[in-house]
Amino acid sequence: DQQVKQNSPSLSVQEGRISILNCDYTNSMFDYFLWYKKYPAEGPTFLISISSIKDKNEDGRFTVFLNKSAKHLSLHIVPSQPGDSAVYFCAASYNNDMRFGAGTRLTVKP
Amino acid sequence: DGGITQSPKYLFRKEGQNVTLSCEQNLNHDAMYWYRQDPGQGLRLIYYSQIVNDFQKGDIAEGYSVSREKKESFPLTVTSAQKNPTAFYLCASALSGYNSPLHFGNGTRLTVT
Repeated sequence: DQQVKQNSPSLSVQEGRISILNCDYTNSMFDYFLWYKKYPAEGPTFLISISSIKDKNEDGRFTVFLNKSAKHLSLHIVPSQPGDSAVYFCAASYNNDMRFGAGTRLTVKP
Repeated sequence: DGGITQSPKYLFRKEGQNVTLSCEQNLNHDAMYWYRQDPGQGLRLIYYSQIVNDFQKGDIAEGYSVSREKKESFPLTVTSAQKNPTAFYLCASALSGYNSPLHFGNGTRLTVT
């Protein structure tokens, strides 16, 4: 039973444009949400997070949006760069129990 | 230089053998985790531990065992009871309490033939 879902396995965007990655969750107890970036044969690296008391958090080119009523979060990358090409995982946590989505492979074309 | 060390990077075993994957952290984190990554399935939680001598099962704990005798170490044993052990295994740690991102090691690729 996947509690965190990323329904798009891949996304391709042009350099300079916006990348939007989406994530849905089912467990209303989750109160902390994160995005990770992963390259092959490496561990994921933390990108940005948001707590359930907020609906937006911004860090440079990366913005995470949280819609609690829809149990949906998204990651916006503006402008997208070729170095952003990687697999992006969303994660949701409650009381240190953290669950991940299946990942979305982002390709940013020059 | 703080971090999480998983060793070895690649591990090969024969079917029917138990194998233990090492995970050590020097970040002084209380919580530690084991995840398994399979193609198209993301990261699935095997076990996690919030404090020494205590741990909880994740979604796919069957066929695995862990111990947490020291704060710095959280070894994972893949037993012969695990039906599909070939996978990429990731260890992570985090500060205790709420709202702490996980810090991951670089993983161990286990191949069982």
